[in-house]
Amino acid sequence: EVQLVESGGGLVKPGGSLRLSCAASGFTFSSYSMNWVRQAPGKGLEWVSSISSSSSYIYYADSVKGRFTISRDNAKNSLYLQMNSLRAEDTAVYYCARDPGPGHWGQGTLVTVSS
Amino acid sequence: QSVLTQPPSVSAAPGQKVTISCSGSSSNIGNNYVSWYQQLPGTAPKLLIYENNKRPSGIPDRFSGSKSGTSATLGITGLQTGDEADYYCGTWDSSLSAGRVFGGGTKLTVL
Repeated sequence: EVQLVESGGGLVKPGGSLRLSCAASGFTFSSYSMNWVRQAPGKGLEWVSSISSSSSYIYYADSVKGRFTISRDNAKNSLYLQMNSLRAEDTAVYYCARDPGPGHWGQGTLVTVSS
Repeated sequence: QSVLTQPPSVSAAPGQKVTISCSGSSSNIGNNYVSWYQQLPGTAPKLLIYENNKRPSGIPDRFSGSKSGTSATLGITGLQTGDEADYYCGTWDSSLSAGRVFGGGTKLTVL
C-alpha cells in the first residue's frame, strides 16, 4: 500500500524557516516524480513544486520561487521542502503527492506563519 | 485567480447526474492530460480521473471524465449524499512558468 507521511509543520514567525519532510513507503520511490501542493485555510489547491525521479527536473510556482527548495533522498525514500523567508500567505496545509496524477497524497502537515 | 476556471458550485438531487466544467488554454488543458480530484471535508484530495478519462482502481464508473480542446468535464451519475465534496481539476501548464495548475474548485451539493 502506498503511504506518504508528511512532517515538520508548525508555527513559525514571518521571515523564518521550516523544513518539511515526506516519508514514502509501499512503492519504489526512486521511480516516481513527486510534488508539494498546499491548501490555505478555506481555499483551493495550490501547486508548490515538483521534482523528477532522479532530481534532474525541478519546478516551482512563481509564488515560492527563490524562497523554497524541493529535494529528495531516494536512498531514504524521502521528499523534502526547505521553506525560507516565510510569509503569512504561506500559511497552509502542505501535502506531498506522488505522480502520475498526482494519484497518491499524504494527510498533510499544517504550516502557520504568524507573529 | 486560478489558471483553470471551474464553477464555484453545482447542485443536484440524489440519483441525478451532474457535470462540472474546467476551462483552460492551449498551454495547459489543450496540450496536457487532465486529472480530477475529490476532497471530502477535512481530508486529503483523492484522485478520481487521470489522463482525461481513466479511473484509478476502486473509483466507481459513476465518475467519468472527458476533454475537448481547452476544456474538460467531470460527470457524476447516480448522485449520492456521500458525493458532497469539493472537486478540482488539474493539469500541467507548459508555458514559460511551467508547472502544475489547478482549478479553483467546485462545491457539489446533493440536495
